[in-house]
Amino acid sequence: GENVEQHPSTLSVQEGDSAVIKCTYSDSASNYFPWYKQELGKGPQLIIDIRSNVGEKKDQRIAVTLNKTAKHFSLHITETQPEDSAVYFCAASIGSSASKIIFGSGTRLSIRP
Amino acid sequence: GAVVSQHPSWVICKSGTSVKIECRSLDFQATTMFWYRQFPKQSLMLMATSNEGSKATYEQGVEKDKFLINHASLTLSTLTVTSAHPEDSSFYICSAKSGTATMLYGYTFGSGTRLTVV
Repeated sequence: GENVEQHPSTLSVQEGDSAVIKCTYSDSASNYFPWYKQELGKGPQLIIDIRSNVGEKKDQRIAVTLNKTAKHFSLHITETQPEDSAVYFCAASIGSSASKIIFGSGTRLSIRP
Repeated sequence: GAVVSQHPSWVICKSGTSVKIECRSLDFQATTMFWYRQFPKQSLMLMATSNEGSKATYEQGVEKDKFLINHASLTLSTLTVTSAHPEDSSFYICSAKSGTATMLYGYTFGSGTRLTVV
């Protein structure tokens, strides 16, 4: 079946440094790739998304890149801050109609002060 | 932006009883909603897709008679855990898909429901 792989599972970076999380997907028809931030005891919150007709998207300190050929997409957070500490999930839509999304296994990001 | 409200945020029930969780799209109509389950330190696992006015589609391995889903309106989907047992204790999260027939806007998640069965 379709799956999304995410690495690393944990990531610790110094405050002010950059963090990169990588995902791969298996469904060649996937066309929507959201990234979510989840804090303890809460639901996932969308932080950025990218569609298959775009290779890169940026929103202030957050950027996402997509390589459709390699089926890779990555999240980049620059100038990390303590409030960036959370669990981050990548996801990919399934099928050309994006009937649902499935999640990667998550990355626990810790920002060291 | 799209907002999804989920209630209750937490519930404790006795083994053998049933629990209902509600998911509402507050400022948009959602023809499709989803229910996920998340165990501690794990990812979200899709349980079922709920379509307004029709039967839910369950993922492989999810018992449809145990997890009853009703999507009676364009803004409300409910998940009922029937005859709950301690192993059903988990974090349940709903999501709603927004967009038009030809354009996907995105998937918005509720705040989750912590179910504890004692």
